[in-house]
Amino acid sequence: AQRVTQPEKLLSVFKGAPVELKCNYSYSGSPELFWYVQYSRQRLQLLLRHISRESIKGFTADLNKGETSFHLKKPFAQEEDSAMYYCALPGPAGGTSYGKLTFGQGTILTVHP
Amino acid sequence: DGGITQSPKYLFRKEGQNVTLSCEQNLNHDAMYWYRQDPGQGLRLIYYSQIVNDFQKGDIAEGYSVSREKKESFPLTVTSAQKNPTAFYLCASRQVGTGDYEQYFGPGTRLTVT
Repeated sequence: AQRVTQPEKLLSVFKGAPVELKCNYSYSGSPELFWYVQYSRQRLQLLLRHISRESIKGFTADLNKGETSFHLKKPFAQEEDSAMYYCALPGPAGGTSYGKLTFGQGTILTVHP
Repeated sequence: DGGITQSPKYLFRKEGQNVTLSCEQNLNHDAMYWYRQDPGQGLRLIYYSQIVNDFQKGDIAEGYSVSREKKESFPLTVTSAQKNPTAFYLCASRQVGTGDYEQYFGPGTRLTVT
């Protein structure tokens, strides 16, 4: 069964410091991975997906198939980055998990001034 | 205002009562999902539906029921059989057949059962 693990429930950094939110996955095949973000009093929304290779709000994430990781990084954290972050993995086409997203446990990022 | 709406935002019920949470979307999406969000446990899938009049159990379906009579609506009933119903409930939707797995989320309903 596919699985997504976010080992850190809480992560605190100071403004301007680099931040890395860890995500590891187990999946047979070529995965597509997402990072979702939930700011205070806002709905859960897609931050970025690895296929697009974009940098959103200064965040990037690289898929490392060898380490089965998809860590989210930002070189200089801002206070407005404080939020809950979820890593998510869609089920493979043709499998029992098709159409579903498997979410990690989430990481609460706090950026201190 | 387009997208996914959930109502009410806050809901309070006495133990032993069934309660129904509303989820409506005007995105013309085929698939809809219900999740439960608890601190430290991430999002757990309760039920999902990929087409009208069809739905499947997710990972934690016990004590819940759903219906999908219309494409735009996917109500969730939390029954008295659910052992720990107090939680934040999220509804989501997705377009099927595009190869895009992104799900779009509603604002959530916080249910408190005492």
